[in-house]
Amino acid sequence: AQKITQTQPGMFVQEKEAVTLDCTYDTSDPSYGLFWYKQPSSGEMIFLIYQGSYDQQNATEGRYSLNFQKARKSANLVISASQLGDSAMYFCAMKVDTGRRALTFGSGTRLQVQP
Amino acid sequence: DAGVTQSPTHLIKTRGQQVTLRCSPKSGHDTVSWYQQALGQGPQFIFQYYEEEERQRGNFPDRFSGHQFPNYSSELNVNALLLGDSALYLCASSLSLTGIHQPQHFGDGTRLSIL
Repeated sequence: AQKITQTQPGMFVQEKEAVTLDCTYDTSDPSYGLFWYKQPSSGEMIFLIYQGSYDQQNATEGRYSLNFQKARKSANLVISASQLGDSAMYFCAMKVDTGRRALTFGSGTRLQVQP
Repeated sequence: DAGVTQSPTHLIKTRGQQVTLRCSPKSGHDTVSWYQQALGQGPQFIFQYYEEEERQRGNFPDRFSGHQFPNYSSELNVNALLLGDSALYLCASSLSLTGIHQPQHFGDGTRLSIL
């Protein structure tokens, strides 16, 4: 079974500062993918960034980067130059390459960007 | 390019009733997954449909059932509603033949309240 742990229920960051959202995972499958989604108050889950278990380099997508440490089983999301519109819930999720390819989500982190 | 659309947006039911939620996948996608997101939690996988058949199922009782139509749209049915079924129901679509690196695309969800 897969498990995602997000230990930060809430985070505050000043506008234009960088922030790191923590995610640790557990799986026995050697092939897996890690995803980060943003969920504004409207409810839609917005895909942000992906990291594959065999990827040698950390993923980057605009202001988002993923600090992937495979030995520690961590996949932290870094948001640079925070904007007020970044205020939302952020979910880390995992999908393995065997059997069910559904996403397993963590409990989320609520990020609030302050002006 | 139409994204994932869900209907209705909000729904209020009473205990014991039955409900049907609907989802149209993103254009070009053939696989639909349903998730339940209770307040303050991450989404939980209910089931996944591909080629009009339920392919995978999470830890949900038989009161939860679904259907996929030839045009890839899908329905989620819940019978004998319980207070604990109150949640945001998210539909996600993907393309079956792609690898685990492809993200699932989510709709805005249906917010179901049970009185």
